[in-house]
Amino acid sequence: EPEVTQTPSHQVTQMGQEVILRCVPISNHLYFYWYRQILGQKVEFLVSFYNNEISEKSEIFDDQFSVERPDGSNFTLKIRSTKLEDSAMYFCASRQGGYTFGSGTRLTVV
Amino acid sequence: GQQVMQIPQYQHVQEGEDFTTYCNSSTTLSNIQWYKQRPGGHPVFLIQLVKSGEVKKQKRLTFQFGEAKKNSSLHITATQTTDVGTYFCAGPLTSYDKVIFGPGTSLSVIP
Repeated sequence: EPEVTQTPSHQVTQMGQEVILRCVPISNHLYFYWYRQILGQKVEFLVSFYNNEISEKSEIFDDQFSVERPDGSNFTLKIRSTKLEDSAMYFCASRQGGYTFGSGTRLTVV
Repeated sequence: GQQVMQIPQYQHVQEGEDFTTYCNSSTTLSNIQWYKQRPGGHPVFLIQLVKSGEVKKQKRLTFQFGEAKKNSSLHITATQTTDVGTYFCAGPLTSYDKVIFGPGTSLSVIP
């Protein structure tokens, strides 16, 4: 069964630092997404990416966030200057019909 | 904006009892998707329903999409401890839209 792979599984960072979360979507999928889930809360949409550009972003996805597909296989989420409230599980997903989610990166900002 | 609601928020059942979670959208959806998230895990896609009034079964799970394509339900017959987790419904407005997740129903099964 094809998988979406995310690294690292856990990242601890100091407030104000930059972090890059990495994802390898399923190779023949065309739509890519980042979602986040604050502990115990629902899964929230951050951004969708299609044809090498952002197709939609939520109000959470402010100027501190950016996404890239640098080499045709990786899909990254960068947070430029992390805040405490950025602590969450970040899920990458790719889609062909239903979404396939990666196992997530737990980001802890201290 | 589009909102997706689910009830109940929590459900505790005795093993062997049935379980149902209900999902309602404020807007008509092009499809409805259901996901299961085990404690500490990530959402795992279960099924997608597309047609108005559609009913699909996966072993002990029955999924239903309402006639107006604004509500859905997931019914589990004779729950088992392996059914423990949070069940999310999620739906896009259009086929190419992002999905909006409901808040989930957390199921506990008492052996």
